[in-house]
Amino acid sequence: QVQLVESGGGVVQPGRSLRLSCAASGFMFSSHGMHWVRQPPGKGLEWVSVIWYDGSNKYYADSVKGRFTISRDNSKNTLYLQMNSLRAEDTAVYYCARWADNRAFEIWGQGTMVTVSS
Amino acid sequence: DIVMTQTPLSSPVTLGQPASISCRSSQSLVHSDGNTYLNWLQQRPGQPPRLLIYKVSNRFSGVPDRFSGSGAGTDFTLKISRVEAEDVGVYYCMQATQFPQTFGQGTKVEIK
Repeated sequence: QVQLVESGGGVVQPGRSLRLSCAASGFMFSSHGMHWVRQPPGKGLEWVSVIWYDGSNKYYADSVKGRFTISRDNSKNTLYLQMNSLRAEDTAVYYCARWADNRAFEIWGQGTMVTVSS
Repeated sequence: DIVMTQTPLSSPVTLGQPASISCRSSQSLVHSDGNTYLNWLQQRPGQPPRLLIYKVSNRFSGVPDRFSGSGAGTDFTLKISRVEAEDVGVYYCMQATQFPQTFGQGTKVEIK
């Protein structure tokens, strides 16, 4: 069964750090680009970051550039998002999603909630 | 960035009746490779998004055939031929022609 399971969310103070994980199963993780997409409470979807299947390229939304770092460990079938210097506006559910050749997010995880608050 | 604008933002529908959602992009979504990378996603209450349609009109695996997508250039439409109770949720269009991928604001489909 193809599955993505996020973890690592929680409540954190502004300026602190958090690392999210996304464990993949049921498919060849090392063959797929992977993304992080977030959704603030009651709001729409915002793309955050992408990493190529082999980790060779990484891109970020302007809103997180310089603060967030995406990475992956293909030997562990796991995607990561290191979030530093967190701000209140980073509060959201964070989803990992598998990218397809047809340029669509074809598989989504259940999401993990990040709350940045003092 | 390409701006995606959906209308309406809310759509009350009677069970068994059709529903239609429009999505307009601020630039043409025709890629240099000839494809148009416009996707539709469904998000049921309390659930993650789910891919419904990719490249304008292709239904993803397991998506019922009451869902259909159409359009070209900058104007696109998602249609539900006969709305069922399980179709309640928010629908997003999303473009992947130009980096970064961008989403519409979402259209809430609810039962009258």
